[in-house]
Amino acid sequence: QQQVKQSPQSLIVQKGGISIINCAYENTAFDYFPWYQQFPGKGPALLIAIRPDVSEKKEGRFTISFNKSAKQFSLHIMDSQPGDSATYFCAASMETSGSRLTFGEGTQLTVNP
Amino acid sequence: EAGVAQSPRYKIIEKRQSVAFWCNPISGHATLYWYQQILGQGPKLLIQFQNNGVVDDSQLPKDRFSAERLKGVDSTLKIQPAKLEDSAVYLCASSSGALSSYEQYFGPGTRLTVT
Repeated sequence: QQQVKQSPQSLIVQKGGISIINCAYENTAFDYFPWYQQFPGKGPALLIAIRPDVSEKKEGRFTISFNKSAKQFSLHIMDSQPGDSATYFCAASMETSGSRLTFGEGTQLTVNP
Repeated sequence: EAGVAQSPRYKIIEKRQSVAFWCNPISGHATLYWYQQILGQGPKLLIQFQNNGVVDDSQLPKDRFSAERLKGVDSTLKIQPAKLEDSAVYLCASSSGALSSYEQYFGPGTRLTVT
């Protein structure tokens, strides 16, 4: 019940295209859903996050879509750039667990020039 | 504002040896986390501190792993004795700890190789 499942494992997109990464969760007690971006040799960096009371959140080229009934959420990267090439992790957290993050397995995104 | 600092960045040891990692969180952050990230996987929480008290250590292999956070600031994570399967990146993260503040900030990690 604590798992967060992420797909795809890897994704190759052309420059200017849209990258879409999906996550699904089981525990309905989760109340915070962030996406992290990780470059090789670096720690994960918070990209964007959403609470379950909204269905979409947009920050620049990054958008989270959230479907509470389906227990799914996704990250959309518009106008993907080579600099976006990194590993992306979805995660989930709940206040009653001390806000610890449960991460998905990660998606390796490659944006070709 | 300085980020989360960790040292060393890399460590190679032989199995059955001991090793320690150090973390300095963002100034004023009450909550500190240690995560283990095995190659190709997402980070997994090992232990969470609120100030200098342990909030969650349910996934810490206590027969070989220990952690402390003296004075509610810096923290050390120790492995003794190390096993081959402990090879991973050990990430430290911190958050303000304020109610409804979930944002965690990660350090660069320590890459441990056990041979």
